[in-house]
Amino acid sequence: EVQLVESGGDLVQPGGSLRLSCAASGFTFSSHWMHWVRQAPGKGLEWVSRMNGDGKRETYADSVRGRFTISRDNAKNKLYLQINSLRAEDTAVYYCVRDALVGRTAFDNWGQGTLVTVSS
Amino acid sequence: DIQMTQSPSTLSASVGDRVTITCRASQTISTFLNWYQLKSGKAPKFLIYDTSTLPSGVPSRFSGSGSGTDFTLTITNLQPEDFATYYCQQSYHTPYTFGQGTKVEI
Repeated sequence: EVQLVESGGDLVQPGGSLRLSCAASGFTFSSHWMHWVRQAPGKGLEWVSRMNGDGKRETYADSVRGRFTISRDNAKNKLYLQINSLRAEDTAVYYCVRDALVGRTAFDNWGQGTLVTVSS
Repeated sequence: DIQMTQSPSTLSASVGDRVTITCRASQTISTFLNWYQLKSGKAPKFLIYDTSTLPSGVPSRFSGSGSGTDFTLTITNLQPEDFATYYCQQSYHTPYTFGQGTKVEI
């Protein structure tokens, strides 16, 4: 069974930093692109970032580029999101998401999410 | 960025109904359109990919259609567990973008 378990969410002051982690199990982690998707309170879903299986390719949404860094450790089956210079608008539940191996990108397995709250 | 627009935002229905949700892209996305189901407190569920393909385990009462810019998600014989919020998402180009969601309520 595929499992994705996020951690690291917290209450942080504006300008602060956090590192989110996602522990993956139940599949060959290194074979899949992995993504972070977020949902602000009362809002819709927003794709944040992706990384390919070997960790050499990464892409970001414009809203986070330069402040967020995605990374992975395939030996530990873990995905990370370093988030710096946090803003109030970064407040959201952050989901770790697996990309299905179906050709084009599709998000076939999601974690339960970890809440990041940016407030003074 | 490709903008995705869903309608309606909220849909009232009853068990056994047939419901249709529409998703429109701001430019052509071929058939690179996926659907997800979200329920409060639960991990989002993968419903449909490539417009009309159901992943293993998704009930056949869910179906999708469309191409280019206009797409639909149809649920026939609505079940109690189907009351949720549905999102479309384009995978034609990054940034991958979602519709604003359609809440299906009783």
